Amino acid sequence: EIVMTQSPATLSVSPGEGATLSCRASQSLLNNLAWYQQRPGQAPKLLIYDASIRATGVPARFSGRGFGTEFTLTISSLQSEDFAVYYCQHYGHWAFTFGQGTKLEIK
Amino acid sequence: QLQLQESGPGLVKPSETLSLTCTVSGGSISSDIHYWGWIRQSPGEGLQWIGNVFHSGATHHNPSLESRVTVSVDTSKNQFSLRLSSVTAADTAVYFCARHVLVETIPDYFDYWGQGTLVTVSS
Repeated sequence: EIVMTQSPATLSVSPGEGATLSCRASQSLLNNLAWYQQRPGQAPKLLIYDASIRATGVPARFSGRGFGTEFTLTISSLQSEDFAVYYCQHYGHWAFTFGQGTKLEIK
Repeated sequence: QLQLQESGPGLVKPSETLSLTCTVSGGSISSDIHYWGWIRQSPGEGLQWIGNVFHSGATHHNPSLESRVTVSVDTSKNQFSLRLSSVTAADTAVYFCARHVLVETIPDYFDYWGQGTLVTVSS
């Protein structure tokens, strides 16, 4: 099973600032990685797939980078609705796994 | 707009079988470029993929759940279902159904999700 490790567990940032979240895989994923945003009481929402492609309707302030085992999600100029939990998920191998999440909280 | 809705009992007794159904609206479950999956979320385990089904009936499940998982599809009703047998308190979680995009031979990301349903395992 591929293990996905996200860091940090919690990130405190002020509105208007930027934030970078990290996700590391235990083996190479090529670019087979997605990012999701989950607000309290809601289902995860797809943000990024194939490591860097924004899903339909996702604002341009969200960007993804990475290849192989190291990936990042960057949110520029944080808006109030961006404070949520973010998960990465690998694919390309059966038994898809998610990271444990990074909680982005208001500083 | 595609919508998915989970339904089923919110309380299941230990050792019994958890059964959930996901109804798909606004799109066809018989799509050749999508699998249909179940994911659960519990405080202790985070998000865990449970299993997938294709409209042909082909299924895959998480090996960590061994043989307790059965995922099936009913194309006539545009629904797919999950059965998880021999449940314990560790199976208490919010269960989501989701559409799993298929680009090549193995599905990729989940692009549409149901709202989730809480299932508690307790006597």
